[in-house]
Amino acid sequence: DTAVSQTPKYLVTQMGNDKSIKCEQNLGHDTMYWYKQDSKKFLKIMFSYNNKELIINETVPNRFSPKSPDKAHLNLHINSLELGDSAVYFCASSQDALAGALIYFGPGTRLTVL
Amino acid sequence: AQTVTQSQPEMSVQEAETVTLSCTYDTSESDYYLFWYKQPPSRQMILVIRQEAYKQQNATENRFSVNFQKAAKSFSLKISDSQLGDAAMYFCAYRSAMEYGNKLVFGAGTILRVKS
Repeated sequence: DTAVSQTPKYLVTQMGNDKSIKCEQNLGHDTMYWYKQDSKKFLKIMFSYNNKELIINETVPNRFSPKSPDKAHLNLHINSLELGDSAVYFCASSQDALAGALIYFGPGTRLTVL
Repeated sequence: AQTVTQSQPEMSVQEAETVTLSCTYDTSESDYYLFWYKQPPSRQMILVIRQEAYKQQNATENRFSVNFQKAAKSFSLKISDSQLGDAAMYFCAYRSAMEYGNKLVFGAGTILRVKS
């Protein structure tokens, strides 16, 4: 059973479109995250949710809107896609938001904006 | 804000040899965690090893060990008896023990190539 899963694994779309990436974890964790890995492989946190509440929002454009319908899911919706949004997006989860909790990453979604 | 620097964009090692990947970080905090993650071509992020700053003993996990120098803010990863499967991108990461939210701050990564 996959611990943190993301769909789709690959996403190719045109500039200006709206798209969503779904994430689910079956670990019973309280905290979920979205990280972005850009074309130079640099990884940076975008958002973090704890018990469905937003606790980290790292100066991400308003076009990015995370939604957590329940503790096991954290979806990422992106409006008006731009070329610079092309990246790999990783979902992750941890038991809680405390520093000792290990973070488990999903397999990533490669988004290509044409 | 904390920063993590990996000064080696690429490293090569012969199979069965030992290689050390460098990482330095900048923080004003005294309590934090440091990590090494491996990202193979499959792009899955795999935790290799974790170090808690308040523990003086260097962490080890089988062939992987770290040299943690708190005063120097240095956290290098040593891979012994390198195997072809070790070829990957390696990321050093920092996490504050003081901030709520469990945020990882990553370095730019080091590509490790293993020669047979």
